[in-house]
Amino acid sequence: SQTIHQWPATLVQPVGSPLSLECTVEGTSNPNLYWYRQAAGRGLQLLFYSVGIGQISSEVPQNLSASRPQDRQFILSSKKLLLSDSGFYLCAWRRDPSSYEQYFGPGTRLTVT
Amino acid sequence: GNSVTQMEGPVTLSEEAFLTINCTYTATGYPSLFWYVQYPGEGLQLLLKATKADDKGSNKGFEATYRKETTSFHLEKGSVQVSDSAVYFCALSDLNSGGSNYKLTFGKGTLLTVNP
Repeated sequence: SQTIHQWPATLVQPVGSPLSLECTVEGTSNPNLYWYRQAAGRGLQLLFYSVGIGQISSEVPQNLSASRPQDRQFILSSKKLLLSDSGFYLCAWRRDPSSYEQYFGPGTRLTVT
Repeated sequence: GNSVTQMEGPVTLSEEAFLTINCTYTATGYPSLFWYVQYPGEGLQLLLKATKADDKGSNKGFEATYRKETTSFHLEKGSVQVSDSAVYFCALSDLNSGGSNYKLTFGKGTLLTVNP
């Protein structure tokens, strides 16, 4: 069965520090991968998606970047965090081209102080 | 672009009460529709889905019917439990801004609290 992991689960970082969040998927190959941010208002904002290794598309200009160094690994990064980067970061994957539902990881709670 | 509107709540019910959370959408084409549930501190879980008009998705006592004529996908449950307390998101499948990949467009979520 397929499983999606995210780490760390929680993170407290000072303003101006770098960031690296990792997402990995097990039990599938060549998934479509997505990064979302959920701010305090509970809505979800799509940040990045990837259809394959090295292929990244950005939905919204951010202080963030994403990379996909391996088929089942998706990384969210920042060189210098802002206070506004605080939130709950969710990684998701889509199984195959014929179905549109996405499956979410447990999330990373980021607090920028 | 496509959009999803759902009642924002919060919704507070007593155990065994009937639940309805309204969801309407605006879309070109024929999107698939979804309900996700998020328990405190966790990621989103797919609750149910419907892929075409008049389809009924169901899971764990929850149901929703894809109504194309009213562009709605209301979530219902006949008898809620305390364990159903969570945030519920309505979503539709959508093309990304570049038109090359599908994404999900979410409503803002509805907080449900069920009291014993």
